[in-house]
Formats: sequence, C-alpha cells, structure tokens
Amino acid sequence: SQQGEEDPQALSIQEGENATMNCSYKTSINNLQWYRQNSGRGLVHLILIRSNEREKHSGRLRVTLDTSKKSSSLLITASRAADTASYFCAPRNSGNTPLVFGKGTRLSVIA
Amino acid sequence: NAGVTQTPKFRVLKTGQSMTLLCAQDMNHEYMYWYRQDPGMGLRLIHYSVGEGTTAKGEVPDGYNVSRLKKQNFLLGLESAAPSQTSVYFCASRKTGGATNEKLFFGSGTQLSVL
Repeated sequence: SQQGEEDPQALSIQEGENATMNCSYKTSINNLQWYRQNSGRGLVHLILIRSNEREKHSGRLRVTLDTSKKSSSLLITASRAADTASYFCAPRNSGNTPLVFGKGTRLSVIA
Repeated sequence: NAGVTQTPKFRVLKTGQSMTLLCAQDMNHEYMYWYRQDPGMGLRLIHYSVGEGTTAKGEVPDGYNVSRLKKQNFLLGLESAAPSQTSVYFCASRKTGGATNEKLFFGSGTQLSVL
C-alpha cells in the first residue's frame, strides 16, 4: 500500500469560488480515489480515476490524473458552505492491497 | 439497508480494561478494515480482512486483535487498553473484484477515550 500526500493541508475560500486540492504519490498505481470527511463522520467516497484516465467529472467535481508526475488534483467548482470538510486521496497499487490515507486537506468554505 | 454499523459510538475505558468494538455490514462485502484517526495524523490502518476467517496486520496493529468469524462482522479487540489508544476508530468495507467495486464504505466511527 502507498499513502498519498495532500496539499495544501488547509484551504479557506469564499462561497462560490473554486477549490483545488492536490495529491502526490510515489509509485505506479492502478487507480486513485478521493474521499470526503465531514466533521465527526466517516469518509465518503467521491470519485475513482483509473491509471489510464486523465480526467473525470462528477457533478461539481473534476479530478485529473498525471501519472508521469505521479499527481492528481481535485477541483470543486462553485463551492458551497456544505463542501466544508476534509478531503483525502488514496492511491491504489494493485489487487487487494488496502487503501491507506494521508492527513488530508481541510477545506473551509465561508458563506 | 444500513450499510456499515459500528457499536458502540462512544466509550470511556480505564487503563488496563478490555473491550471489543463491533463492525457489521449488510452489503455482503468480502473486505473489511479497521482504521484509527488521531488529530493531525490522518487515518491509519490497524487490521483488515479479505474474507471470513482471514485477518491481516495493517500499519499499526500492536495492542489490537481482530476476528472475522462471520462475513458480515469484523471485531476489533483491545485486551489491555492504554491511553495511547485514545482515538476515533473507523470500520470500512468493500466488495471484491473490479474497479467499480473498489470504493470503501465507512461506518460513523467509535470515539474511544482511555484514561
């Protein structure tokens, strides 16, 4: 298993602005997943991008993957106060290896 | 369909006491995991299971034991609790096979304090 490293550690924006979070990893992957954690709750899966994909969309979420740079980014467009949460990336090597999580990015959206 | 259910939600222990955290899932998932989350540390994997009757160690297994006697349940035990085990514990599960099955479903957590 390998751990992704999210950057920045914390991000504060105004409602309506876009939020961009980055994830770096060290070795080749099969896929990379993004999760959200609201305060005091369990993680919720947002989106999975495979190693042969470069971009994926889900509602206001846009994820990109650059395997040559071993990095991914999560863009939340037109952010809302309800998007306030911590966001984690989880790169998966292959097979049955369990996901491990880094420290995440704490996003605060100010109304 | 309740998803992943963790019991208890809160617990306070004295040093040296024992307890068992229960995780139950009703989605017929093969894989189950126990994580702990400490402030500023992210989530760390304690133990996991790839099927009934099997368990494996994660990143921080010391001081914990697990059992997977039934497919739907994954138990995490603390034989002699220590203050360093004060944490929020999360259980997760997922299906097996194929990228579409790889997303984890998490429980709502157990907040444990060891005094």
